[in-house]
Amino acid sequence: GQQVMQIPQYQHVQEGEDFTTYCNSSTTLSNIQWYKQRPGGHPVFLIQLVKSGEVKKQKRLTFQFGEAKKNSSLHITATQTTDVGTYFCAALSGAGSYQLTFGKGTKLSVIP
Amino acid sequence: ETGVTQTPRHLVMGMTNKKSLKCEQHLGHNAMYWYKQSAKKPLELMFVYSLEERVENNSVPSRFSPECPNSSHLFLHLHTLQPEDSALYLCASSGAGVIWSSYNEQFFGPGTRLTVL
Repeated sequence: GQQVMQIPQYQHVQEGEDFTTYCNSSTTLSNIQWYKQRPGGHPVFLIQLVKSGEVKKQKRLTFQFGEAKKNSSLHITATQTTDVGTYFCAALSGAGSYQLTFGKGTKLSVIP
Repeated sequence: ETGVTQTPRHLVMGMTNKKSLKCEQHLGHNAMYWYKQSAKKPLELMFVYSLEERVENNSVPSRFSPECPNSSHLFLHLHTLQPEDSALYLCASSGAGVIWSSYNEQFFGPGTRLTVL
Protein backbone atom coordinates (compact mmCIF):
# COMPACT_ATOMS: atom_id res chain seq x y z
CA GLY A 1 0.00 0.00 0.00
CA GLN A 2 0.90 3.64 -0.28
CA GLN A 3 3.29 4.92 2.34
CA VAL A 4 4.23 8.41 3.37
CA MET A 5 7.47 8.92 5.24
CA GLN A 6 7.66 11.84 7.60
CA ILE A 7 10.77 13.36 9.17
CA PRO A 8 11.94 14.21 11.70
CA GLN A 9 10.14 12.12 14.28
CA TYR A 10 10.89 14.63 17.04
CA GLN A 11 11.97 18.25 17.05
CA HIS A 12 12.83 20.44 20.01
CA VAL A 13 13.14 24.15 19.32
CA GLN A 14 13.61 27.28 21.35
CA GLU A 15 10.61 29.57 21.26
CA GLY A 16 11.06 31.96 18.37
CA GLU A 17 13.01 29.51 16.22
CA ASP A 18 11.62 28.13 12.99
CA PHE A 19 10.44 24.55 12.49
CA THR A 20 9.99 22.38 9.42
CA THR A 21 8.60 18.88 8.96
CA TYR A 22 8.85 16.94 5.70
CA CYS A 23 6.66 14.32 4.12
CA ASN A 24 7.84 12.09 1.26
CA SER A 25 6.29 9.43 -0.92
CA SER A 26 7.75 7.12 -3.55
CA THR A 27 4.56 7.50 -5.60
CA THR A 28 2.77 10.53 -6.99
CA LEU A 29 0.12 11.74 -4.58
CA SER A 30 -3.37 12.89 -5.53
CA ASN A 31 -3.33 15.38 -2.70
CA ILE A 32 -1.88 15.79 0.74
CA GLN A 33 -3.45 16.87 3.98
CA TRP A 34 -1.87 18.14 7.17
CA TYR A 35 -3.24 17.60 10.68
CA LYS A 36 -2.18 18.80 14.13
CA GLN A 37 -2.71 16.83 17.31
CA ARG A 38 -2.19 18.65 20.58
CA PRO A 39 -0.99 16.60 23.59
CA GLY A 40 -3.95 14.64 24.91
CA GLY A 41 -6.09 15.75 21.99
CA HIS A 42 -7.22 14.44 18.63
CA PRO A 43 -6.01 15.24 15.11
CA VAL A 44 -7.40 18.46 13.69
CA PHE A 45 -7.35 19.22 9.99
CA LEU A 46 -5.09 22.11 9.00
CA ILE A 47 -5.01 22.21 5.22
CA GLN A 48 -5.20 20.27 1.96
CA LEU A 49 -2.85 20.73 -1.00
CA VAL A 50 -3.85 19.49 -4.42
CA LYS A 51 -1.87 21.22 -7.16
CA SER A 52 1.72 20.64 -8.16
CA GLY A 53 3.98 23.25 -6.57
CA GLU A 54 1.14 24.64 -4.48
CA VAL A 55 2.02 26.88 -1.56
CA LYS A 56 -0.49 27.92 1.09
CA LYS A 57 -0.06 30.06 4.17
CA GLN A 58 -1.93 30.23 7.44
CA LYS A 59 -0.43 33.02 9.53
CA ARG A 60 2.98 31.64 10.60
CA LEU A 61 2.45 28.27 8.89
CA THR A 62 3.55 27.68 5.29
CA PHE A 63 2.58 24.51 3.45
CA GLN A 64 4.19 23.36 0.21
CA PHE A 65 3.43 20.59 -2.25
CA GLY A 66 6.33 19.50 -4.45
CA GLU A 67 6.38 19.95 -8.18
CA ALA A 68 6.34 16.20 -8.69
CA LYS A 69 3.60 15.79 -6.05
CA LYS A 70 5.76 13.33 -4.14
CA ASN A 71 6.71 15.49 -1.20
CA SER A 72 5.34 18.18 1.03
CA SER A 73 6.52 20.34 3.88
CA LEU A 74 5.11 22.35 6.73
CA HIS A 75 7.16 25.29 7.96
CA ILE A 76 6.40 27.28 11.09
CA THR A 77 8.05 30.66 11.46
CA ALA A 78 8.96 31.93 14.92
CA THR A 79 7.46 29.08 16.92
CA GLN A 80 5.31 29.74 19.96
CA THR A 81 4.41 27.45 22.86
CA THR A 82 0.95 27.09 21.34
CA ASP A 83 2.54 25.28 18.39
CA VAL A 84 3.38 22.28 20.58
CA GLY A 85 1.92 19.03 19.30
CA THR A 86 2.34 16.35 16.68
CA TYR A 87 1.99 17.27 13.02
CA PHE A 88 0.84 14.58 10.62
CA CYS A 89 0.77 14.52 6.87
CA ALA A 90 -1.76 12.27 5.18
CA ALA A 91 -2.43 11.26 1.62
CA LEU A 92 -5.40 9.70 -0.12
CA SER A 93 -4.88 6.23 -1.56
CA GLY A 94 -6.16 7.29 -4.92
CA ALA A 95 -8.87 8.99 -6.88
CA GLY A 96 -12.26 8.60 -5.23
CA SER A 97 -10.69 6.80 -2.28
CA TYR A 98 -11.72 7.45 1.27
CA GLN A 99 -8.59 5.96 2.77
CA LEU A 100 -6.03 8.36 4.19
CA THR A 101 -2.55 7.04 4.85
CA PHE A 102 -0.92 8.97 7.67
CA GLY A 103 2.75 9.63 8.21
CA LYS A 104 4.18 8.80 11.62
CA GLY A 105 4.08 12.44 12.59
CA THR A 106 6.60 14.94 13.88
CA LYS A 107 6.33 15.76 17.55
CA LEU A 108 7.24 19.38 18.18
CA SER A 109 8.37 20.63 21.57
CA VAL A 110 8.88 24.35 22.11
CA ILE A 111 11.14 25.46 24.93
CA PRO A 112 10.00 28.81 26.36
CA GLU B 1 -16.00 21.00 19.29
CA THR B 2 -15.66 19.19 15.98
CA GLY B 3 -19.16 17.78 15.67
CA VAL B 4 -17.96 14.22 16.26
CA THR B 5 -18.59 12.74 19.69
CA GLN B 6 -17.34 9.50 21.16
CA THR B 7 -18.35 7.55 24.24
CA PRO B 8 -16.98 6.46 26.56
CA ARG B 9 -13.90 8.65 26.75
CA HIS B 10 -12.08 6.08 28.89
CA LEU B 11 -12.62 2.34 29.15
CA VAL B 12 -10.88 -0.34 31.18
CA MET B 13 -11.82 -3.90 30.39
CA GLY B 14 -10.67 -7.41 31.02
CA MET B 15 -9.77 -9.81 28.27
CA THR B 16 -13.04 -11.71 28.63
CA ASN B 17 -15.32 -8.67 28.62
CA LYS B 18 -17.55 -7.46 25.81
CA LYS B 19 -17.89 -3.73 25.33
CA SER B 20 -18.83 -1.28 22.60
CA LEU B 21 -17.47 2.09 21.56
CA LYS B 22 -19.89 4.61 20.15
CA CYS B 23 -19.34 7.44 17.71
CA GLU B 24 -21.84 10.02 16.51
CA GLN B 25 -21.35 12.76 13.95
CA HIS B 26 -23.53 15.82 13.60
CA LEU B 27 -21.97 17.12 10.38
CA GLY B 28 -24.13 15.45 7.75
CA HIS B 29 -21.16 13.48 6.46
CA ASN B 30 -21.55 10.23 4.55
CA ALA B 31 -18.30 8.47 5.49
CA MET B 32 -17.13 7.34 8.92
CA TYR B 33 -13.87 5.77 10.08
CA TRP B 34 -12.31 3.92 12.96
CA TYR B 35 -8.60 4.47 13.69
CA LYS B 36 -6.29 2.98 16.26
CA GLN B 37 -3.52 5.16 17.68
CA SER B 38 -0.89 3.64 19.92
CA ALA B 39 2.43 4.90 21.21
CA LYS B 40 4.35 2.66 18.85
CA LYS B 41 2.44 3.16 15.63
CA PRO B 42 1.00 6.08 13.71
CA LEU B 43 -2.69 6.40 13.04
CA GLU B 44 -3.84 3.02 11.76
CA LEU B 45 -7.02 2.92 9.74
CA MET B 46 -9.23 0.05 10.86
CA PHE B 47 -12.56 0.41 9.09
CA VAL B 48 -14.27 2.75 6.65
CA TYR B 49 -18.00 3.06 6.09
CA SER B 50 -19.50 4.98 3.22
CA LEU B 51 -23.27 5.43 3.15
CA GLU B 52 -23.50 2.74 5.81
CA GLU B 53 -21.63 0.20 3.67
CA ARG B 54 -18.25 -1.04 4.82
CA VAL B 55 -15.74 -0.15 2.11
CA GLU B 56 -12.42 -0.79 3.86
CA ASN B 57 -11.32 -3.40 6.35
CA ASN B 58 -7.61 -3.26 6.92
CA SER B 59 -6.91 -6.81 8.14
CA VAL B 60 -8.32 -6.08 11.54
CA PRO B 61 -8.70 -9.06 13.91
CA SER B 62 -12.22 -10.39 14.26
CA ARG B 63 -12.30 -9.46 17.94
CA PHE B 64 -13.09 -5.97 16.61
CA SER B 65 -16.52 -5.80 14.98
CA PRO B 66 -17.82 -2.54 13.49
CA GLU B 67 -21.44 -1.59 13.00
CA CYS B 68 -22.90 1.38 11.14
CA PRO B 69 -26.69 1.49 11.58
CA ASN B 70 -27.02 4.87 9.83
CA SER B 71 -24.82 7.59 8.44
CA SER B 72 -24.60 9.40 11.79
CA HIS B 73 -23.65 6.52 14.06
CA LEU B 74 -20.76 4.12 14.18
CA PHE B 75 -20.01 1.44 16.74
CA LEU B 76 -17.00 -0.70 17.45
CA HIS B 77 -17.88 -3.89 19.33
CA LEU B 78 -15.04 -5.38 21.33
CA HIS B 79 -14.71 -8.92 22.66
CA THR B 80 -11.88 -11.06 24.00
CA LEU B 81 -9.34 -8.31 23.50
CA GLN B 82 -5.64 -8.60 24.22
CA PRO B 83 -3.46 -6.24 26.27
CA GLU B 84 -1.76 -5.10 23.04
CA ASP B 85 -5.11 -3.72 21.92
CA SER B 86 -4.78 -0.99 24.53
CA ALA B 87 -4.70 2.27 22.59
CA LEU B 88 -6.59 5.42 21.71
CA TYR B 89 -9.47 4.61 19.35
CA LEU B 90 -10.46 7.51 17.19
CA CYS B 91 -13.57 7.94 15.13
CA ALA B 92 -13.65 10.33 12.19
CA SER B 93 -16.09 11.42 9.53
CA SER B 94 -15.86 13.11 6.16
CA GLY B 95 -18.04 14.20 3.28
CA ALA B 96 -17.94 12.93 -0.27
CA GLY B 97 -14.78 11.17 -1.42
CA VAL B 98 -14.18 13.44 -4.36
CA ILE B 99 -10.50 14.28 -4.27
CA TRP B 100 -10.88 17.78 -5.65
CA SER B 101 -13.37 18.71 -3.01
CA SER B 102 -12.62 20.22 0.33
CA TYR B 103 -15.14 17.82 1.79
CA ASN B 104 -12.71 14.93 2.18
CA GLU B 105 -11.01 16.47 5.18
CA GLN B 106 -11.60 14.27 8.14
CA PHE B 107 -13.09 15.44 11.40
CA PHE B 108 -11.97 13.43 14.40
CA GLY B 109 -13.74 12.77 17.63
CA PRO B 110 -11.94 13.07 20.98
CA GLY B 111 -11.24 9.33 21.10
CA THR B 112 -11.75 6.53 23.59
CA ARG B 113 -8.71 5.63 25.66
CA LEU B 114 -8.94 1.84 26.00
CA THR B 115 -6.97 -0.20 28.51
CA VAL B 116 -7.14 -3.98 28.36
CA LEU B 117 -6.04 -5.74 31.51
